[in-house]
Amino acid sequence: AQSVTQLGSHVSVSEGALVLLRCNYSSSVPPYLFWYVQYPNQGLQLLLKYTSAATLVKGINGFEAEFKKSETSFHLTKPSAHMSDAAEYFCAVVADTGNQFYFGTGTSLTVIP
Amino acid sequence: NAGVTQTPKFQVLKTGQSMTLQCAQDMNHEYMSWYRQDPGMGLRLIHYSVGAGITDQGEVPNGYNVSRSTTEDFPLRLLSAAPSQTSVYFCASSLQPGYPTDTQYFGPGTRLTVL
Repeated sequence: AQSVTQLGSHVSVSEGALVLLRCNYSSSVPPYLFWYVQYPNQGLQLLLKYTSAATLVKGINGFEAEFKKSETSFHLTKPSAHMSDAAEYFCAVVADTGNQFYFGTGTSLTVIP
Repeated sequence: NAGVTQTPKFQVLKTGQSMTLQCAQDMNHEYMSWYRQDPGMGLRLIHYSVGAGITDQGEVPNGYNVSRSTTEDFPLRLLSAAPSQTSVYFCASSLQPGYPTDTQYFGPGTRLTVL
């Protein structure tokens, strides 16, 4: 079975500060991991994905995430927060043999000017 | 390409009414799915389809029916709406999840209120 846990339902950072959103996964088989962003009243948009090619994954808008098998983590980071980063962020997992995505409960990011 | 489209954007139903949420994609994706999004619970998979004529249940299928007669369309039916089905519904599609190059594309959502 696969699942993800996002620590912190709300995260606030100052503009220009480091963004760190946490995601831990559970999977009995090699997983594929994803981060999605949802802006208000919109659908989800893919930020980045881990597909076993490289442990450090770079995505859109300056975000990146590192797959750490030993820690079963896939945390999302951005060196310098921008006001436009304020949104809901979801981590998701799918097994390489599976047909179902499992999403975390989401982290709402607030950027303080 | 229009991507994934959903209609309607908003809907209010009374308890016991039925309705169909429409979803269509023009990317020739085999895999389509329906999720519901509720506060504090993230997205939960309702039903999914890996191709025309093939559907399967997800995490929360009760109260919902689906069918997949064409590659493009994947409607979600509520046979007898209940207040617990008040939610935002998202349709998504991808070539096939689990493939390294696959990406799931989401529609804009349908906000459903059941009174």
